[in-house]
Amino acid sequence: EIVLTQSPGTLSLSPGERATLSCRASQSVNSGYLAWYQQTPGQAPRLLIYDASTRATGIPDRFSGSGSGTDFTLTINRLEPEDFAVFYCQQYGSAPFTFGPGTKVDIK
Amino acid sequence: EVQLVESGGGLVQPGGSLRLSCAGSGFTFTTYVMTWVRQAPGKGLEWVSAISGSGDTIHYADSVKGRFTISRDTSKNTLYLQMSSLRAEDTAMYYCARKLVGSAWGPWGYWGQGALVTVSS
Repeated sequence: EIVLTQSPGTLSLSPGERATLSCRASQSVNSGYLAWYQQTPGQAPRLLIYDASTRATGIPDRFSGSGSGTDFTLTINRLEPEDFAVFYCQQYGSAPFTFGPGTKVDIK
Repeated sequence: EVQLVESGGGLVQPGGSLRLSCAGSGFTFTTYVMTWVRQAPGKGLEWVSAISGSGDTIHYADSVKGRFTISRDTSKNTLYLQMSSLRAEDTAMYYCARKLVGSAWGPWGYWGQGALVTVSS
């Protein structure tokens, strides 16, 4: 089983700042099959990034993903008020399709 | 437009059974991987089970293997999760989701609103 570790656990930032979220895998993620999801309270997760760096349809270009192998990063440039949420990374390269524990981005 | 609507959640006693349904519209089930993901109150996301588009490959998380069964009725475009021997730790919001694109098992680009399962005496 691939264990995903996300850091930091909480990120306190102000609107307009840049957020950098890390996701580290216990072993290499097959074919870079790594996704990032955003979840706000009471809502289902929303897909932001897949295949490590491809933005899903309708996702603003201030969201970007990078990385390969075991180290992945989600960057959010110029945080907007609606971006404050919990972000999860997830690998779908090999079963079980594990999620990371999440990073909460809250308003400073 | 792709839509997923879960139903069947509720309160069940420990050791009991429950079946969740996920009705899909706007796409054909046989084309896409479908999955169940759950979230315990105040906790993170946990993948539960997935079924391939052809229906011939199924995966389960170790935490539910032998107790939960994923299935589908392609004539009704409906996904199911039969849950038995339920435990308190199975209490969660259960989401069904559909794969977005591509040949892999994910990513999951379409999600339902969730069905709440509470296991308690």
